[in-house]
Amino acid sequence: GQQVMQIPQYQHVQEGEDFTTYCNSSTTLSNIQWYKQRPGGHPVFLIQLVKSGEVKKQKRLTFQFGEAKKNSSLHITATQTTDVGTYFCRNAGNMLTFGGGTRLMVKP
Amino acid sequence: DAGITQSPRHKVTETGTPVTLRCHQTENHRYMYWYRQDPGHGLRLIHYSYGVKDTDKGEVSDGYSVSRSKTEDFLLTLESATSSQTSVYFCAAGLAGFDTGELFFGEGSRLTVL
Repeated sequence: GQQVMQIPQYQHVQEGEDFTTYCNSSTTLSNIQWYKQRPGGHPVFLIQLVKSGEVKKQKRLTFQFGEAKKNSSLHITATQTTDVGTYFCRNAGNMLTFGGGTRLMVKP
Repeated sequence: DAGITQSPRHKVTETGTPVTLRCHQTENHRYMYWYRQDPGHGLRLIHYSYGVKDTDKGEVSDGYSVSRSKTEDFLLTLESATSSQTSVYFCAAGLAGFDTGELFFGEGSRLTVL
């Protein structure tokens, strides 16, 4: 299957700092989805990227899809304690593969 | 979210016993999935369904079976539970096929096999 690797696995930031998680694949992806899972909760869909070089924003969150469609990133500007959780990318291709997730911890 | 409920939410059982987890959805999603989530492994697909009585294996299907006799229900069965199947199980559903459309997740079922 098309494996997607996420880095970093964990990230501690001070509230107000920026945060970025990356999703990488060795093969071209049809599209990428991003999900957020709060501690003790279930994954919730954030966004889907389909086009090469696509950039989408949701308030303080910026999502990018690489030009070669082999990587994607999620950037949070000025993190808040409400951003705490694990962020997953998902290769919504044939093998339905989720990345291992990046756990974000925010110190107030 | 999207009317997906899982039962039971918590279960403790002993090795060798059968266990069935139920996923019920009210939104008429065609596609349904069972994932397990373990520390360090993220979400791994066990089985999925693309319609009534149409199911297929995912990444980690050994030791699990599924059934879908109605659109709204997707059952995951562990015929003889083992300690390695201790995990949090999530059901998900979606309208579209594999390569498009968001997944809606249930709240999870925590299974402990002693």
